[in-house]
Amino acid sequence: NAGVTQTPKFRILKIGQSMTLQCAQDMNHNYMYWYRQDPGMGLKLIYYSVGAGITDKGEVPNGYNVSRSTTEDFPLRLELAAPSQTSVYFCASSSPGNEKLFFGSGTQLSVL
Amino acid sequence: AQSVAQPEDQVNVAEGNPLTVKCTYSVSGNPYLFWYVQYPNRGLQFLLKYITGDNLVKGSYGFEAEFNKSQTSFHLKKPSALVSDSALYFCAVRGDNYGQNFVFGPGTRLSVLP
Repeated sequence: NAGVTQTPKFRILKIGQSMTLQCAQDMNHNYMYWYRQDPGMGLKLIYYSVGAGITDKGEVPNGYNVSRSTTEDFPLRLELAAPSQTSVYFCASSSPGNEKLFFGSGTQLSVL
Repeated sequence: AQSVAQPEDQVNVAEGNPLTVKCTYSVSGNPYLFWYVQYPNRGLQFLLKYITGDNLVKGSYGFEAEFNKSQTSFHLKKPSALVSDSALYFCAVRGDNYGQNFVFGPGTRLSVLP
């Protein structure tokens, strides 16, 4: 029972590089989310999706893009990495009416 | 707008003593309130939630939280702390007219001393 799986766990990028953070869930959840966690700041919502083909911006979407072609997958794309994007990224999922978020184990990203 | 405050960065408590981790919120409409716990190098784990009904909510690992509408608070409590409760605790809120936009507080680090 995998739950929410994120890859990679760690990554170092140079300024201007691009990458995709992968997220997959096997619980058939309609809702998926991307958060970033910065020390002392809690979690900030980047993007979320309420179903395949539907995405919406959260609090801090600039510099990121997402897509949701299937129920299971919700990748997060960084096009031009900047030092301000150094953070820990968490993917989460939930089902309608449950309100309980299931989190992946996170991706620690450093942009140098 | 929605917001969550956790006024204490750090809470220290002796093992066996009761613990309280504080949370206050601001949201228009009815609040959905949550507590999550994060252990080192792990994702957040759900502890408990308040949606409606009884103001005292019981959750995982012996934790409970009390919803107080007049004080807009949702404090996390446990009657007897364990060393293994040491972790980072997050309060979160979602207003019932804010879609799926959950807002998290900055977190409170709980240290239970043996």
